[in-house]
Amino acid sequence: GAGVSQSPSNKVTEKGKDVELRCDPISGHTALYWYRQSLGQGLEFLIYFQGNSAPDKSGLPSDRFSAERTGGSVSTLTIQRTQQEDSAVYLCASSFGGPRFYEQYFGPGTRLTVT
Amino acid sequence: AQSVTQLDSHVSVSEGTPVLLRCNYSSSYSPSLFWYVQHPNKGLQLLLKYTSAATLVKGINGFEAEFKKSETSFHLTKPSAHMSDAAEYFCVVSDQTGNTPLVFGKGTRLSVIA
Repeated sequence: GAGVSQSPSNKVTEKGKDVELRCDPISGHTALYWYRQSLGQGLEFLIYFQGNSAPDKSGLPSDRFSAERTGGSVSTLTIQRTQQEDSAVYLCASSFGGPRFYEQYFGPGTRLTVT
Repeated sequence: AQSVTQLDSHVSVSEGTPVLLRCNYSSSYSPSLFWYVQHPNKGLQLLLKYTSAATLVKGINGFEAEFKKSETSFHLTKPSAHMSDAAEYFCVVSDQTGNTPLVFGKGTRLSVIA
């Protein structure tokens, strides 16, 4: 079956521009996660959606970052007024349920480069 | 709050020799622990997970890990390395509530020498 897909696979943008990254989770998965992976670092949690509950935004690094999940499916991560330190690979994952028991399935990521 | 420390940023082994990737965790509650693998230019894949059942967990591709509460460790092992095992490995912790997302270690890069 189809896995988690992300688009675009690569994005180059100028400092100060806004970008939108898209994630299509596996059908039927109620949980969706966004992570950021910088060179030489592990994955940094950004935001977590679970069903109809309010999202856990505790990992968002600044108010320039926001995310939505429409209809419990597709999610968009928006970064406003991008900075060079935003350059990273942004990974999306989905799972059947909460993070304690359910495997997260990861997408291939979007590589963001801010020039 | 939980945290995880991967003790080696890079491990190099010869093909056919054992693999040991070390991980220590800190958690206020009984944790769930995972190992994920990331092959070059590929997505992350779950190797195995511990969720308070058997302390010795077997995963895919011959990997296994043992949960040792007294040592707060969850080391990943494999008896015999294969060239295809070369990848980045992440140790991950989630607390008992299951409501906080996973916390990833910084990763260990495994190199396998022919």
